[in-house]
Amino acid sequence: EAQVTQNPRYLITVTGKKLTVTCSQNMNHEYMSWYRQDPGLGLRQIYYSMNVEVTDKGDVPEGYKVSRKEKRNFPLILESPSPNQTSLYFCASSFGLAGGATGELFFGEGSRLTVL
Amino acid sequence: GENVEQHPSTLSVQEGDSAVIKCTYSDSASNYFPWYKQELGKRPQLIIDIRSNVGEKKDQRIAVTLNKTAKHFSLHITETQPEDSAVYFCAASNPGGNNRLAFGKGNQVVVIP
Repeated sequence: EAQVTQNPRYLITVTGKKLTVTCSQNMNHEYMSWYRQDPGLGLRQIYYSMNVEVTDKGDVPEGYKVSRKEKRNFPLILESPSPNQTSLYFCASSFGLAGGATGELFFGEGSRLTVL
Repeated sequence: GENVEQHPSTLSVQEGDSAVIKCTYSDSASNYFPWYKQELGKRPQLIIDIRSNVGEKKDQRIAVTLNKTAKHFSLHITETQPEDSAVYFCAASNPGGNNRLAFGKGNQVVVIP
């Protein structure tokens, strides 16, 4: 089954304790991205990756890191989480089409993170 | 960068009536306009999209219209049903945007039985 898998789905942590949210897709997609969803603010892009070893900042990258060492995996790293990073996080992937055209984004089920 | 705005933020409709959500975008180079539906507690999923070389696209009870001159596009849902209750996100991207979709903040649609 084609899917984007995120882990953990739910996490409560404390300020400053490093954590990683994993994301894996089995559709051989070149493009992967992380979004955070907050009430009234919609979906805001954190980081994205056009392909292996190619990553770039989205609209709200502060406090986050990513890596893309393999095509299927795109982990989100919070080196020193703070309460303002409490949010619902979505990983998404798509094919990178020729000419920069955009394909359908497939989202993971989401990871709800609470930082105390 | 691209800025996408959605109106209204909340829309309540009687079951069977039509719902229309409008989005405006700022970058005239944008050429791809998808709509995502997010049911309560679920992930966003693509329901329909349109590219700038067409003005309208239909898929059963849903349709999207695009006005490039005015830089807005709209989602039309006819014969609404309770399962249409969800948050709907519009988005826009352009060829030079590295597949970056700029999302609107979402519209809550409530279908009243």
